[in-house]
Amino acid sequence: EDKVVQSPLSLVVHEGDTVTLNCSYEVTNFRSLLWYKQEKKAPTFLFMLTSSGIEKKSGRLSSILDKKELFSILNITATQTGDSAVYLCAVPSYGNKLVFGAGTILRVKS
Amino acid sequence: GAGVSQTPSNKVTEKGKYVELRCDPISGHTALYWYRQSLGQGPEFLIYFQGTGAADDSGLPNDRFFAVRPEGSVSTLKIQRTERGDSAVYLCASSLRAGPLYEQYFGPGTRLTVT
Repeated sequence: EDKVVQSPLSLVVHEGDTVTLNCSYEVTNFRSLLWYKQEKKAPTFLFMLTSSGIEKKSGRLSSILDKKELFSILNITATQTGDSAVYLCAVPSYGNKLVFGAGTILRVKS
Repeated sequence: GAGVSQTPSNKVTEKGKYVELRCDPISGHTALYWYRQSLGQGPEFLIYFQGTGAADDSGLPNDRFFAVRPEGSVSTLKIQRTERGDSAVYLCASSLRAGPLYEQYFGPGTRLTVT
């Protein structure tokens, strides 16, 4: 059964800190890995990583994929209170459905 | 352009009642997905449509749950004889095509509370 495990479960940092969120996965036929940010209810798409795109960056957020070790990390530099959210990692499984981890709850204190 | 929309945003119903949840995907997106999210967990897959047909309904928990997408755009998730355990946030997502290299974009969800 395809599986995603995220760590830590929750994290509290101060504004300006750098954080690293972890995602490990087991999937029968790896094609891609996705990161989402969830505030309130709607998950917002951040990045998709694939065999041909193992590093992505957008502003203060960046992500890398290690296909050999079966994990991905999401880095956020110079954190702001607006970064407070749940960060979800997911992999497409059989039938194109996404299998999600439980998420990492990030709280950035001012 | 407009994102995925879902109505209602909140629904409170009594145990045993019937509910319908609606999803309007991004225009031009052919694939539509339904997920359910309980507190403290990631979303869990229910069903997905490619066009009008349900391509995979393996995540529906039992036969009280049913979904349709009659014209290949708007979808309705129907739950009969609701139970307290059905309380969750129901999320809808759409993608341009079905496939692991197409991003899924989520709507704001419907929070269902069964009392």
